[in-house]
Amino acid sequence: DGGITQSPKYLFRKEGQNVTLSCEQNLNHDAMYWYRQDPGQGLRLIYYSQIVNDFQKGDIAEGYSVSREKKESFPLTVTSAQKNPTAFYLCASSIKGNNQPQHFGDGTRLSIL
Amino acid sequence: GQQVMQIPQYQHVQEGEDFTTYCNSSTTLSNIQWYKQRPGGHPVFLIQLVKSGEVKKQKRLTFQFGEAKKNSSLHITATQTTDVGTYFCAGRSNDYKLSFGAGTTVTVRA
Repeated sequence: DGGITQSPKYLFRKEGQNVTLSCEQNLNHDAMYWYRQDPGQGLRLIYYSQIVNDFQKGDIAEGYSVSREKKESFPLTVTSAQKNPTAFYLCASSIKGNNQPQHFGDGTRLSIL
Repeated sequence: GQQVMQIPQYQHVQEGEDFTTYCNSSTTLSNIQWYKQRPGGHPVFLIQLVKSGEVKKQKRLTFQFGEAKKNSSLHITATQTTDVGTYFCAGRSNDYKLSFGAGTTVTVRA
């Protein structure tokens, strides 16, 4: 079955540590996205990529980094510069274009130890 | 930047009753999408509206896009326990980014 796989489901970060969240899709979608979800705030866009080897900052990119070396993969690194990383992180993908729905993974819940 | 406001934040509904959630954008939208997130789950695409004044129905759900393309609504009739979850609207202007509302979390009293 085609879909988006995020791993791990739960992740714990120590102070000063970088952690990387995995996102893989086999839908052959060009565009991929990372969102952060906090209670009562909906989804906020961190980074997005419309094509391999290219990505753009979203609304809350500070303290995060991404790469897009392969079409099917869009890992997100939460760096130590992100002072409030505890949140639910959602990865999504879509066919490239303005009128396309986004398909979401099951998410990774990141907590600080 | 573009902002999408969604109200109410919470909706407690008696089973069988109707309710509506509203979305308003600070800018004109090219389209608006609606998603549903079940408790513990991820957002799932429901529908997209593109045309001014457009109305679409999915069984008991009615989606509407305002004439000015700055607001939208989702109306659910005869609420069932399967309607529990958080409903998000997401508006798009002239780029690839979606701006999500904060969502309306629906609980149902049987």
